[in-house]
Amino acid sequence: EAGVVQSPRYKIIEKKQPVAFWCNPISGHNTLYWYRQNLGQGPELLIRYENEEAVDDSQLPKDRFSAERLKGVDSTLKIQPAELGDSAVYLCASSRNRDRVDEQFFGPGTRLTVL
Amino acid sequence: GQSLEQPSEVTAVEGAIVQINCTYQTSGFYGLSWYQQHDGGAPTFLSYNALDGLEETGRFSSFLSRSDSYGYLLLQELQMKDSASYFCAVRPHNAGNMLTFGGGTRLMVKP
Repeated sequence: EAGVVQSPRYKIIEKKQPVAFWCNPISGHNTLYWYRQNLGQGPELLIRYENEEAVDDSQLPKDRFSAERLKGVDSTLKIQPAELGDSAVYLCASSRNRDRVDEQFFGPGTRLTVL
Repeated sequence: GQSLEQPSEVTAVEGAIVQINCTYQTSGFYGLSWYQQHDGGAPTFLSYNALDGLEETGRFSSFLSRSDSYGYLLLQELQMKDSASYFCAVRPHNAGNMLTFGGGTRLMVKP
């Protein structure tokens, strides 16, 4: 089966610019996650979706970050405006359902550099 | 809160056995997971321990002891391709069904 697809793989922007990341999870996976991973650290959850419903979004900086999963399939994560500290790898992952949280399938990530 | 501690770096030679430890401070959790991540790549699920004891999957084994707040990943017959970062993760009872990852251990396998 096809894995989790993310685009773009790399993005370089200047601070205060907007940026968006796209994710298509594995077919049939109801649960979708967005993580941020800083260099040399583990992934940190930003938001989790159960179908089209956003849950576990307490770590999402809502003043500048937003996410959507309108039809319960692919998802978009947006940052507006970007800050220097947002430079990181943004990972998308999916799991079959909320009972399979421990086994997540990750995409290759989008490496964001904010100048 | 939840805190997972791992050594930042481990070095071993090809063919050897290496153990990567994960100690944690959390009030309660469902189980301990391990993920592998090559440089520039996606984290890949390796194993999950819901209960105390040893789980074996090929060259990799994972162990959990809740009474000792401790787990480890054991890699046998090391190969060069095992050079990667390894993350332990837990799903705490009070964290709304989300995974909390450790900082990762960078394993370097030398010839």
